Amino acid sequence: ELKVEQNPLFLSMQEGKNYTIYCNYSTTSDRLYWYRQDPGKSLESLFVLLSNGAVKQEGRLMASLDTKARLSTLHITAAVHDLSATYFCAVDERGNEKLTFGTGTRLTIIP
Amino acid sequence: DAGVIQSPRHEVTEMGQEVTLRCKPISGHDYLFWYRQTMMRGLELLIYFNNNVPIDDSGMPEDRFSAKMPNASFSTLKIQPSEPRDSAVYFCASSFSGTLETQYFGPGTRLLVL
Repeated sequence: ELKVEQNPLFLSMQEGKNYTIYCNYSTTSDRLYWYRQDPGKSLESLFVLLSNGAVKQEGRLMASLDTKARLSTLHITAAVHDLSATYFCAVDERGNEKLTFGTGTRLTIIP
Repeated sequence: DAGVIQSPRHEVTEMGQEVTLRCKPISGHDYLFWYRQTMMRGLELLIYFNNNVPIDDSGMPEDRFSAKMPNASFSTLKIQPSEPRDSAVYFCASSFSGTLETQYFGPGTRLLVL
């Protein structure tokens, strides 16, 4: 059974600081997704990573994928309050459209 | 495109009542997914369809839950009879397999069973 673990589960950080959220998964996969969820809202797609070494960047967020280590990271640069949200990674097992979601990382940016 | 549409957005019902949640996927998408989100269990996949055919319903909690997709533009998730532990946010999502795109989520239905 595929397991997807994120850490940390909760993260409070000051504006302007850098930090990284980690996503580990237990079986072979080369398709990984990052989503953002604001309180009371739906999930919004951030990044789709489809191969080993893939790196995607959007604004202050950068995601990468290492399929050999079964690890993806979401790096936040110079955090701003608008980035406060819960971030989920999700893994699609090879040949399977089914996504398994991580537990989520609740990020709070403190002024 | 309007995105994935779900109705109702909120539902409050009493234990034992039947609840029907509805979803309209994005036009042209061939996969449809039903998820449930709770604080305790996080985001769980209940069932998903490909070309209107159920592919994997292993996440459906018990026989009280059923899902149908009679055509490419409509799906329902039914709970009968409902129980307080079914209280959750239910999301529908759709995707198109041909481009390896992400799944697009609807706004969700917030269900409260009293």
